[in-house]
Order: sequence, then C-alpha cells, then structure tokens
Amino acid sequence: QVQVQESGPGLVKPSQTLSLTCTVSGGSISSGGYYWSWIRQHPGKGLEWIGYISYSGSTYYNTALKSRVTISEDTSKNQFSLKLSSVTAADTAVYYCARYSSRDNWFDPWGQGTLVTVSS
Amino acid sequence: DIQMTQSPSSLSASVGDRVTITCRASQSISRYLNWYQQKPGKAPKLLIYAASTLQSGVPSRFSGSGSGTDFTLTISSLQPEDFATYYCQQSYSTLSITFGQGTRLEIK
Repeated sequence: QVQVQESGPGLVKPSQTLSLTCTVSGGSISSGGYYWSWIRQHPGKGLEWIGYISYSGSTYYNTALKSRVTISEDTSKNQFSLKLSSVTAADTAVYYCARYSSRDNWFDPWGQGTLVTVSS
Repeated sequence: DIQMTQSPSSLSASVGDRVTITCRASQSISRYLNWYQQKPGKAPKLLIYAASTLQSGVPSRFSGSGSGTDFTLTISSLQPEDFATYYCQQSYSTLSITFGQGTRLEIK
C-alpha cells in the first residue's frame, strides 16, 4: 500500500524559498501511471493544486504559481520535492503531497500535510 | 481555468438524514469529477471518482451522479462519522486541476 509523507521546515522568511520533500513508500515514483503532486490549503480555506511531476519526469504547474514553482524528483531516494520561491505571507498554508492516477484521474493517497508559515 | 462551484457552502443535518451536495462546473467536464471528504486536521480522503465510482472501502451510503456541468454527492443516511467538509475536484483539464470551495456538513 502506497504511502506518502511530507517533510521540511515549518517556518520560512518572506522572500525566501519554501522547500518541501515528499517520501513515497510502498511503491516506486518511477512506475508508470502516476503523477506525484503538491496541493496546498490556506488556513480555513479550500484546496489549491500546485503541480505535479510525472513518472517520466515531466512537470505541470498551476499557471498562477508557475513562475515560482519547481517540482523535482530523486528516484534513488523515492522522493519528490517542491520549491516555491519569493514567498510571502499569502503562501502560508498546509502543504500536501499526493499521488495522482493518470488513468482514473484522482488524488490518493494524500500525506498528512505540513503547515508552512511565512513570517519574519 | 475551469471553475467549480459547490452548494450549499454549509449544511446542518441530523444522523439518519439523506443529504445532497451539488457541484457545478463552469464548462462541461464530461464525468471527470471526484469527491473528497476532509475531517478537521486531516488530509482529504477520496470518496468517489469519475462522478459515480465508489473508491474501495467507502461505505455504500455515499453515491455520486452527474455529467457535463452538474454533479451531486448523496449520503443516503448520515452517520456521526460523516460530519466533515466535502470537496469536488475536476480532472477534465489535467493541466489545470481545480477544486470546489467545499461544503461543510455540520450536526444539527
């Protein structure tokens, strides 16, 4: 059974780069059919798709965040990562990683989420 | 981007009630519509995909229907563990995935 788990700093200063890692267990990120995704949720708000990286390494980003987002993978560690540059308080959110099925088009499973606060 | 609008935004109901939540897309998305349940402090959980297919392990009191622009999530008989926030999500535009704003289901 595939599981995903986020890790990274919970506090980032304004204008700096937010960096998070998602560790995948129970399956390989290189196996076909899945995209590895980041989604965030502002406090008390709804869900916002950030982007994903495919099993072949192609990346797709939310156009609203595209200029600041980079998603990459480390297949040797079975991990994928998120970098969001030039953060402001508006980037304070719970960040989730999740697996996306390219066949059935759903997100499952999700990590437990990690709260990242942008503050000086 | 395809906009997803859920109604109502919040809903009060009692255990045993039948509840319906609606999700409307700003353009036709065929049946590329998923539903998630989120409890406070937890990650969303997939309930239904492709508008009406129940995810493995999800109780049969949950059902989904619709196609094109209008979709519904129905809970046939509310149980105490069903009080949560529900989100719809379109996957028609896989390069621009969007979620509804959520429907908070509260105990009356």
